[in-house]
Amino acid sequence: DQQVKQNSPSLSVQEGRISILNCDYTNSMFDYFLWYKKYPAEGPTFLISISSIKDKNEDGRFTVFLNKSAKHLSLHIVPSQPGDSAVYFCAARSSGDYKLSFGAGTTVTVRA
Amino acid sequence: DAMVIQNPRYQVTQFGKPVTLSCSQTLNHNVMYWYQQKSSQAPKLLFHYYDKDFNNEADTPDNFQSRRPNTSFCFLDIRSPGLGDAAMYLCATSSGGGEREGNEQFFGPGTRLTVL
Repeated sequence: DQQVKQNSPSLSVQEGRISILNCDYTNSMFDYFLWYKKYPAEGPTFLISISSIKDKNEDGRFTVFLNKSAKHLSLHIVPSQPGDSAVYFCAARSSGDYKLSFGAGTTVTVRA
Repeated sequence: DAMVIQNPRYQVTQFGKPVTLSCSQTLNHNVMYWYQQKSSQAPKLLFHYYDKDFNNEADTPDNFQSRRPNTSFCFLDIRSPGLGDAAMYLCATSSGGGEREGNEQFFGPGTRLTVL
């Protein structure tokens, strides 16, 4: 049973605009959330994370928001750049566990 | 640079012919993971090693085995590949701590397996 869901398989956005990627989870024990970015022919690389004790974490152009009551998180990329075109995976785990549950990914295409 | 290396990057095998995929790491991490990823799907954890302790996921077929002869290397053996085993196989590592934050997984580039 998929515990982390990314319901939008793809997203197309114009360069300079905001990209918003969404992720939902079902396991209430999850309390640490991560976003990974994957280019073709490469493995996923860690992008940004957030702990359940926060509702927002920002790193440069990337911001992750967490809504625990809704079991929902989102990744905002502002402004979007052509190099951001990639597959983005949402992942989650619970405290004391080191295994991750992944979503199916969202393919972002940034148009010039 | 510390990294996770997977060999080969592309592997073609015949139906039923055993195949071994290799992963090595220079991060000195305690945990090594093997994932199977099919197109447009989430990476699916097959099993992982915490040091020498092997941990199999409940739904991983018996056809898949793993070996970790030392900290740096981990192998994925597919004893009798079927057409349904064609996928990207990702190796990852992490330090394995139980901290609330950190302890991210670092991935190799993957091995694309084709079964003819």
